[in-house]
Amino acid sequence: DSGVTQTPKHLITATGQRVTLRCSPRSGDLSVYWYQQSLDQGLQFLIQYYNGEERAKGNILERFSAQQFPDLHSELNLSSLELGDSALYFCASSVDDRANEQFFGPGTRLTVL
Amino acid sequence: GENVEQHPSTLSVQEGDSAVIKCTYSDSASNYFPWYKQELGKGPQLIIDIRSNVGEKKDQRIAVTLNKTAKHFSLHITETQPEDSAVYFCAASPPLYGNNRLAFGKGNQVVVIP
Repeated sequence: DSGVTQTPKHLITATGQRVTLRCSPRSGDLSVYWYQQSLDQGLQFLIQYYNGEERAKGNILERFSAQQFPDLHSELNLSSLELGDSALYFCASSVDDRANEQFFGPGTRLTVL
Repeated sequence: GENVEQHPSTLSVQEGDSAVIKCTYSDSASNYFPWYKQELGKGPQLIIDIRSNVGEKKDQRIAVTLNKTAKHFSLHITETQPEDSAVYFCAASPPLYGNNRLAFGKGNQVVVIP
């Protein structure tokens, strides 16, 4: 158990809908990362937050957004969902924005029908 | 950006034998190289990592070696056990302040045959 928690574990929704994925980092970790894992693309970095501020953006679609709250938990919002958004979404956390070691949560499996 | 490749995609080994997975990276500025193990239905688990100022690191049955000149690093698992069966991902991270994004390889399926 990495100490990173993610909810929900599974999410099934329809095209065009909007969902919110939640992540709580390890106790004391200030930085949160979101990754998308699909069979064809592998693990892709989406976005990083540090202490409430956006630090880096990767291959994140404009339909997706994220934020990190004062209590350091983070939410990833996915809107106007398409079939191709079906994937595993992982959250990871690290001590700060300089620490390299990232610890991953169990993931949320999103299925768009 | 950084491009990480892993070979072979699938590796089958007899229990007790050694397994070696190799990764290559493209950005010579990358300075942190972790290995993750992912079991079915779980998130990636950090098992070992190495920084660019070190050539080799060992932790019990696993070790990682880094060749900066050739831009490749390898995971070595000795005395493999059935519980080592999983997908292994290598990654690389560039030295950008405040930006620790990891660029992952596509993963290697390791199967340990009892």
